[in-house]
Amino acid sequence: GQQVMQIPQYQHVQEGEDFTTYCNSSTTLSNIQWYKQRPGGHPVFLIQLVKSGEVKKQKRLTFQFGEAKKNSSLHITATQTTDVGTYFCAGRTRSNYQLIWGAGTKLIIKP
Amino acid sequence: GAVVSQHPSRVICKSGTSVKIECRSLDFQATTMFWYRQFPKQSLMLMATSNEGSKATYEQGVEKDKFLINHASLTLSTLTVTSAHPEDSSFYICSAKRQGPADTQYFGPGTRLTVL
Repeated sequence: GQQVMQIPQYQHVQEGEDFTTYCNSSTTLSNIQWYKQRPGGHPVFLIQLVKSGEVKKQKRLTFQFGEAKKNSSLHITATQTTDVGTYFCAGRTRSNYQLIWGAGTKLIIKP
Repeated sequence: GAVVSQHPSRVICKSGTSVKIECRSLDFQATTMFWYRQFPKQSLMLMATSNEGSKATYEQGVEKDKFLINHASLTLSTLTVTSAHPEDSSFYICSAKRQGPADTQYFGPGTRLTVL
């Protein structure tokens, strides 16, 4: 079936280092959404990418949607403790308009 | 990896009817499942937390008599929208929590409900 693979599962970084998570879909997507879930919380919508090759920025966060609309990435520059949490991508399929979720990447800041 | 399925993926119903949505964890046991509602380009709004074998815990403002949740087994939770109205039209997503060191949450693909 349709899948979205998200890697890595975990990433440990020192505060101030960069962080990147990648999503790859088995099929072409209509759009892709990114969410952040803080520990103990529920996913908060960050952004939606629709266009092929689209790049969007939110302060230290940069989101990219691949040219083929099958992959996407989220890059955080100079991580801060407030960035801690799990980042999920969710791709909306063209065929049945469902959301296919990545498994999430947990960002952990080393003490 | 762990998979959570939802059925149906899309449903259109008449006002006043009831609709049942199923959420299944396919390869793991989920003692806790969550039901969310989502409007376009907005965050998931938690409706209720469903625990196997006990009553669901509803969030403030969610009518428990309207949104019936049954967590019948460790792999199945159902959400029934009773006496549906057009304002109930939305995208409903479930998630299942897999117990373990990471307590990972896996999301279903969602069900689009349209009430005419």
